Amino acid sequence: DSGVTQTPKHLITATGQRVTLRCSPRSGDLSVYWYQQSLDQGLQFLIQYYNGEERAKGNILERFSAQQFPDLHSELNLSSLELGDSALYFCASSPGGLGKNIQYFGAGTRLSVL
Amino acid sequence: GIQVEQSPPDLILQEGANSTLRCNFSDSVNNLQWFHQNPWGQLINLFYIPSGTKQNGRLSATTVATERYSLLYISSSQTTDSGVYFCAALSGGSYIPTFGRGTSLIVHP
Repeated sequence: DSGVTQTPKHLITATGQRVTLRCSPRSGDLSVYWYQQSLDQGLQFLIQYYNGEERAKGNILERFSAQQFPDLHSELNLSSLELGDSALYFCASSPGGLGKNIQYFGAGTRLSVL
Repeated sequence: GIQVEQSPPDLILQEGANSTLRCNFSDSVNNLQWFHQNPWGQLINLFYIPSGTKQNGRLSATTVATERYSLLYISSSQTTDSGVYFCAALSGGSYIPTFGRGTSLIVHP
């Protein structure tokens, strides 16, 4: 168990809908990362938060947004869903500093858009 | 940004065989991790190894930072070793690790 909790584990929805994925980081970790992994693809970095503030942004679509709350949990909101958004979405957490900054991954949320 | 390349892309082994997976990176790193993604999709931390050698059971890893590569050794492979192995490197002042495209390993009984 990595200590990173993601819910839900599976999500099936229809095109055009909106969903929210939730992540609770490891105790003591201040940084949360979101990644997307489509079928047979590598991990695509979406966005990073550190202690409630956005720190870095990757190739995140405008239809996607995220935030990190004061208790450090994070949510990734996906709206106007398309078939191509079907993927495994991972959250990872780390202490967040520039030094030893080990990432631990949650079990992922498998999103199916029908 | 830093480029990370993994080889081989695919590997098929018989149970009991040994293997070496390689991760090359284009710049100096201050952070390097190896992960195993099992067939159920879970990403499991294997090693944090920006330099030196570490061992954990049948797995070991070596990073030669000056030559910009890391190796993951799997000895006496088992079917449960199947999955995709990723390395991820962090360099300079970046907070975002760059992942390689992975090595897909299948171990047959």
